[in-house]
Amino acid sequence: ELKVEQNPLFLSMQEGKNYTIYCNYSTTSDRLYWYRQDPGKSLESLFVLLSNGAVKQEGRLMASLDTKARLSTLHITAAVHDLSATYFCAVDGNTGNQFYFGTGTSLTVIP
Amino acid sequence: KAGVTQTPRYLIKTRGQQVTLSCSPISGHRSVSWYQQTPGQGLQFLFEYFSETQRNKGNFPGRFSGRQFSNSRSEMNVSTLELGDSALYLCASILAPGQGNPLHFGNGTRLTVT
Repeated sequence: ELKVEQNPLFLSMQEGKNYTIYCNYSTTSDRLYWYRQDPGKSLESLFVLLSNGAVKQEGRLMASLDTKARLSTLHITAAVHDLSATYFCAVDGNTGNQFYFGTGTSLTVIP
Repeated sequence: KAGVTQTPRYLIKTRGQQVTLSCSPISGHRSVSWYQQTPGQGLQFLFEYFSETQRNKGNFPGRFSGRQFSNSRSEMNVSTLELGDSALYLCASILAPGQGNPLHFGNGTRLTVT
């Protein structure tokens, strides 16, 4: 069965600090997605990573993909309060019509 | 372009009742999928429809069903509701599955079963 594992589950960090969220997956499809979910809201697509070594950056967030290790990371640089949310990684399996989500990382940035 | 629209936003039902949720995808998206989100189980795949055909189904009992219409709008139905069906139900549409396109999610329907 395809598995997507994220860690940590909870992350509390001070403003201005850096941290990394890890996402391991077991499928060979190597299409990796990152989403953000604010409390009570829906999921918003952040990044799509499609090849080994792919790196995408948006503001203080940078995502990368290592298909050989089946590992993606979401790096947060100089965190600000607005980044507080739950972050999910997902892969879409070989047929692409079903996404498998990690457990999510609940990030709280403390002023 | 309008996003994915789900109705209603909130529902309160009693055990044993049935419920129908509705989803209108982004214009041009022919694939619609449904996910259940709960604090304990996270995001779980329910089913996916493409051109009115169910192509994939998750590990949910037969009480959960869905359909898609010719205009790509989709509905999901849950019969004989149980307390454990309380969840956020998310609908998502995608331009072309399997080609590196992300899912676009609606705001969800929050179902509470009492």
